[in-house]
Amino acid sequence: AQTVTQSQPEMSVQEAETVTLSCTYDTSESDYYLFWYKQPPSRQMILVIRQEAYKQQNATENRFSVNFQKAAKSFSLKISDSQLGDAAMYFCAYTDYKLSFGAGTTVTVRA
Amino acid sequence: GAGVSQSPRYKVAKRGQDVALRCDPISGHVSLFWYQQALGQGPEFLTYFQNEAQLDKSGLPSDRFFAERPEGSVSTLKIQRTQQEDSAVYLCASSSTAGDTQYFGPGTRLTVL
Repeated sequence: AQTVTQSQPEMSVQEAETVTLSCTYDTSESDYYLFWYKQPPSRQMILVIRQEAYKQQNATENRFSVNFQKAAKSFSLKISDSQLGDAAMYFCAYTDYKLSFGAGTTVTVRA
Repeated sequence: GAGVSQSPRYKVAKRGQDVALRCDPISGHVSLFWYQQALGQGPEFLTYFQNEAQLDKSGLPSDRFFAERPEGSVSTLKIQRTQQEDSAVYLCASSSTAGDTQYFGPGTRLTVL
């Protein structure tokens, strides 16, 4: 079974600053997908960003970007210019077809 | 539809009661997944359908849990003889194909008293 580890239970960031969330995973597969999902207190899980393992280029979506290190099995998320609406639980997830999630990182944004 | 919908949003059951949770996936999505999320934790996989076929039910915690998708669209997760440890949020997700991005519904929060 694949395991996903998020070692930071909580992170706090000042509005407009940058925060980086860590994620490592374990797999013997060479072709897979990685995701970051956001879950605000309303509990709707929302896709933030997706990375295909065969792509060397790091994915970017507006203020969100990843640092994908395939050999190290590392997949961190950087949130730039943090906004109050970014406050949520963030989950790193691996998939071959079903999702395996990390334990999550709670991000708080200070005004 | 515009997104994945789930009903009911909240369900309170007395221990021993049977419950049924419904999921309407995004129209045309072949793959449908159920996850269980305990408070403060990441979701855990329960089961997976491709159209009407249940291809993986390895995550179902006991034989009290049963899922179906008879016509390849709407899915129902049924829990028989509910126990307190079944209290959780049950999330449904769908994707156009297996391995593609999964889109989640709002979840059903089940509380067993």
